[in-house]
Amino acid sequence: GEDVEQSLFLSVREGDSSVINCTYTDSSSTYLYWYKQEPGAGLQLLTYIFSNMDMKQDQRLTVLLNKKDKHLSLRIADTQTGDSAIYFCAVTSGYALNFGKGTSLLVTP
Amino acid sequence: EAQVTQNPRYLITVTGKKLTVTCSQNMNHEYMSWYRQDPGLGLRQIYYSMNVEVTDKGDVPEGYKVSRKEKRNFPLILESPSPNQTSLYFCASSMDSSGNTIYFGEGSWLTVV
Repeated sequence: GEDVEQSLFLSVREGDSSVINCTYTDSSSTYLYWYKQEPGAGLQLLTYIFSNMDMKQDQRLTVLLNKKDKHLSLRIADTQTGDSAIYFCAVTSGYALNFGKGTSLLVTP
Repeated sequence: EAQVTQNPRYLITVTGKKLTVTCSQNMNHEYMSWYRQDPGLGLRQIYYSMNVEVTDKGDVPEGYKVSRKEKRNFPLILESPSPNQTSLYFCASSMDSSGNTIYFGEGSWLTVV
């Protein structure tokens, strides 16, 4: 599949903002997703953005899409310890959903 | 409630013993797929199905089979499991292949010893 790249780790203090970045190679991707996975659990869809949008906000979550640079980011405002998890970026590519390797977010008190 | 249900959720099995992981969705979705998740590799697609009796290989199909005899079910078959198939498996379904509103099952932890 096409490449989806994410940084592997991010550590933030409780109350700060977290920004998780993702780059992808398939310019035809129509839907771009962010999933959250807590330890031992399945995938939880956090939010998604359609490729003709630049930004989407949903409560504490803001997704920014730079289609020219093929760059997607997820900003979590006022990060809480409960936000500690692995976050996956995923983009549609043909009949598949291509995932990044996941960013482990650690929120420290 | 919209659901994708996988079974078993946890399984330890031995090399070579055939097993099937079932997947069922209650949303009348046409498109279903299987992924495996491995540490440091993210999720990779194994097989997908666009409709009944229509299946095709994803990125990592070796060692797996699937079938789609009914719209709601998409079982994953490991004819002769090997230790490198130890993984976390996810089934997913959606109305079509565009990627809109994909639903994932809760995952099946499979260990092959």
